[in-house]
Amino acid sequence: GAGVSQSPSNKVTEKGKDVELRCDPISGHTALYWYRQSLGQGLEFLIYFQGNSAPDKSGLPSDRFSAERTGGSVSTLTIQRTQQEDSAVYLCASSRQGPYNEQFFGPGTRLTVL
Amino acid sequence: DQQVKQNSPSLSVQEGRISILNCDYTNSMFDYFLWYKKYPAEGPTFLISISSIKDKNEDGRFTVFLNKSAKHLSLHIVPSQPGDSAVYFCAASGLLRGSQGNLIFGKGTKLSVKP
Repeated sequence: GAGVSQSPSNKVTEKGKDVELRCDPISGHTALYWYRQSLGQGLEFLIYFQGNSAPDKSGLPSDRFSAERTGGSVSTLTIQRTQQEDSAVYLCASSRQGPYNEQFFGPGTRLTVL
Repeated sequence: DQQVKQNSPSLSVQEGRISILNCDYTNSMFDYFLWYKKYPAEGPTFLISISSIKDKNEDGRFTVFLNKSAKHLSLHIVPSQPGDSAVYFCAASGLLRGSQGNLIFGKGTKLSVKP
């Protein structure tokens, strides 16, 4: 089956604009995570969705960041009024429900804010 | 403050020799540790994991060792192959402590295996 897919693969935007990043998880995976990797840094947790439960937003860096997961499948990460420090690779991962399940990552979206 | 630290940004090893990648953590609540491998322009791929109830887990050429008292884990690759050249991320989670399973990652170590 298909892996996790993300779109777009690259996004260049101007400071102050809004962007939307999309993630299609593996079919049947109930858990979905967003991470980001800034230059020279490790992966930073942003937000976690599990089934119909309220998402864990504890990693979102500011209120300009939000995410939705519609129908328990596709997720959209929205960054409003982008800043240059938002430039990073945004990675989505999905896994089956429950602990100790491997997280499968998508290829990421490289966001560049000019 | 970094909870998961990979102090070596890069490592170069000759083909056929052993590669040892190190990782330290500060949070004693972590009880599940993973290694991911990442090639350029691709997402990380899972390599091997270890639960805190074990001190060693082996899968083919890859072995992860966990020293809980030192809050240290290492990944051994033997023999190293040129195809192992990638960035290796150490990650930790507190699954048994009621966390949601999100992973805390180190900054990664770039491994280069020279033919």
